[in-house]
Amino acid sequence: DSGVTQTPKHLITATGQRVTLRCSPRSGDLSVYWYQQSLDQGLQFLIQYYNGEERAKGNILERFSAQQFPDLHSELNLSSLELGDSALYFCASSGLQGGSYNEQFFGPGTRLTVL
Amino acid sequence: EDQVTQSPEALRLQEGESSSLNCSYTVSGLRGLFWYRQDPGKGPEFLFTLYSAGEEKEKERLKATLTKKESFLHITAPKPEDSATYLCAVQVPMGGQNFVFGPGTRLSVLP
Repeated sequence: DSGVTQTPKHLITATGQRVTLRCSPRSGDLSVYWYQQSLDQGLQFLIQYYNGEERAKGNILERFSAQQFPDLHSELNLSSLELGDSALYFCASSGLQGGSYNEQFFGPGTRLTVL
Repeated sequence: EDQVTQSPEALRLQEGESSSLNCSYTVSGLRGLFWYRQDPGKGPEFLFTLYSAGEEKEKERLKATLTKKESFLHITAPKPEDSATYLCAVQVPMGGQNFVFGPGTRLSVLP
């Protein structure tokens, strides 16, 4: 168990809908990352938050947005869903040691299926 | 553009048959190289971090090494429970601590 929790575990929805994925980082970790993993694309970095502020942006679509709250949990919002958004969405957290970010610890993921 | 490639794409070994997985990268300003293990349907599990060429790390049957352009994950006398996808990732200074993952090597160890 990595200490990172994600809810829900599975989500089935229809095209055009909007969903919210939730992540709670490990205790003490200020940084949260979101990734998308599909069969043909591998693990794709979406976005990183550090202590409530956006720090880095990867291949995140404009239909997707995220935020990190004062209690450090994070939410990833996916809107106007398309069939191609079906994937595993992972959240990871990391701490800061010696001025550099450490390794990331991944949650169990949310499997999103868009029908 | 920062790129990470891994080879082979898939590898089948007999139990006890040692081998190596390769991770090659072309990045500017490498901050660190990470190895993860991922079981089907689960989140990646951290294995090692390497920061500079010549560095080596070991854990049980796994040993990771780093050069200026690539990293190797050596698996000695593997067991069936080592079967998983092994991912390597590089950390680059892209407007924050960004991470680029390779496509992974799918390892199967047969009893």
